[in-house]
Parts: sequence; structure tokens; C-alpha cells
Amino acid sequence: QSALTQPASVSGSPGQAITISCTGTRSDAESYKFVSWYQQHPGKAPKLMIYEATKRPSGVSNRFSASKSGNTASLTISGLQAEDEADYYCCSYTGYSSWVFGGGTKVTVL
Amino acid sequence: EVQLVESGGGLIQPGGSLRLSCAASGFTVGTNYMSWVRQAPGEGLEWVSLIYSDGTTYYADSVKGRFTISRDNSKNTLHLQMNSLRAADTAVYYCVRVTTWNGEFDYWGQGTLVTVSS
Repeated sequence: QSALTQPASVSGSPGQAITISCTGTRSDAESYKFVSWYQQHPGKAPKLMIYEATKRPSGVSNRFSASKSGNTASLTISGLQAEDEADYYCCSYTGYSSWVFGGGTKVTVL
Repeated sequence: EVQLVESGGGLIQPGGSLRLSCAASGFTVGTNYMSWVRQAPGEGLEWVSLIYSDGTTYYADSVKGRFTISRDNSKNTLHLQMNSLRAADTAVYYCVRVTTWNGEFDYWGQGTLVTVSS
């Protein structure tokens, strides 16, 4: 079963762009076709930000974009704003009727 | 509007049992895929269990044999029966809708805290 590795923290100044990586242990790119990303503010429930690796749900700011290459998925936040300060989790369907989450990345707006 | 409201959390001694409920509105639980995801204090997210629209159920290895996911279609409610609870089960438990059989979690409840401690 794949494990997903994220950096513990990423920071940036307002207006900058930051990228959060999510690296899996499986080598086949098809394994990460169903990667999703979630934003979680302190004390709140997670919110879906990206699905199927690159798609953005209706209502999510277009400052959030995502990509994947090989066994790594990435979330980019452009034009960083104070409200983007939160924890971000990647998640992948494992292929065995189960899901695995990354350890989470704390985004700090300097 | 889709809403998920969990209830049933609380303080329970190790070895005890607890039943969580999740009342859904805005969609039909019985025709959707539903999951429970938990988050230990200060920790990350962990997928716990899934029930498909056909009633098939799946569990994380950490809870297999102790937890049971079920639903009451007449009340549009999801449940999680938790037995033989351990300190490691202490977490906020979220009720979540899954978009497809291999998809993402699009709607989340506010969570209910389960604390396993003597």
C-alpha cells in the first residue's frame, strides 16, 4: 500500500506562489490519478480543494492549481493570501477500496 | 444544501463501545458512497471505513474487526459502531460523502470527538 509524503511546512509572503508536494511510494503514475487535496483551518473540517489530481471543484478559487508527474502530485497556491494559512492534505485512492492521506503540510503566510 | 451532522462522541473507557451517528440532508445516504475519516489530536487525517451504495463495507486495518459501518436508509443516517476501544482511537471522527467508488471526499461533517481514557 502506498504511503504519501508531504513537507511538514511551507511558508510564503502575501502575493507569492508556493507549492506543496505529495510523493507516493508506488512507481506507476496511474496510481495517483485519483489524488485529491484538502484544506483544513484550525478547529474546522477539511474542505475539498482539488480532485482527480488536477480538477478544481466549483467555488474553489482559481489561485489553487495542481499537477502530477510520476509518483509526485503537487498543489500550487498563487497570489498567497492570509486566509490561505491552513493545513493541507493530499489523499489517494489505493486501489484496494481504501484511501491514504499524506501527513499534512502547514502553510504559513509570513 | 448538503449537510452532515455527527453525534454520539464522548468520553469512554478503554475496552468500551460507542456508536456514532451522522444525519444527512440534501442527498440520500443509501444511494451514495459514505465514509468515516478520523483525526487524532494534533495529528493528520486517517481513513477509517467505507460503505458502498450496494452495502459493501471496507475498513482500515487499524479498526478491522472492532468497528462496523452501517446506515439507516429510513432515517438517512450513517452509523459507526465502535467496540473494544483503545486509547489510539481517540480522535475527531468525520462523516464524509465519497463522490465515486474511487473518488474524493466532497462533503464533510463538523466532526465528533471520541476520547478513550480511564
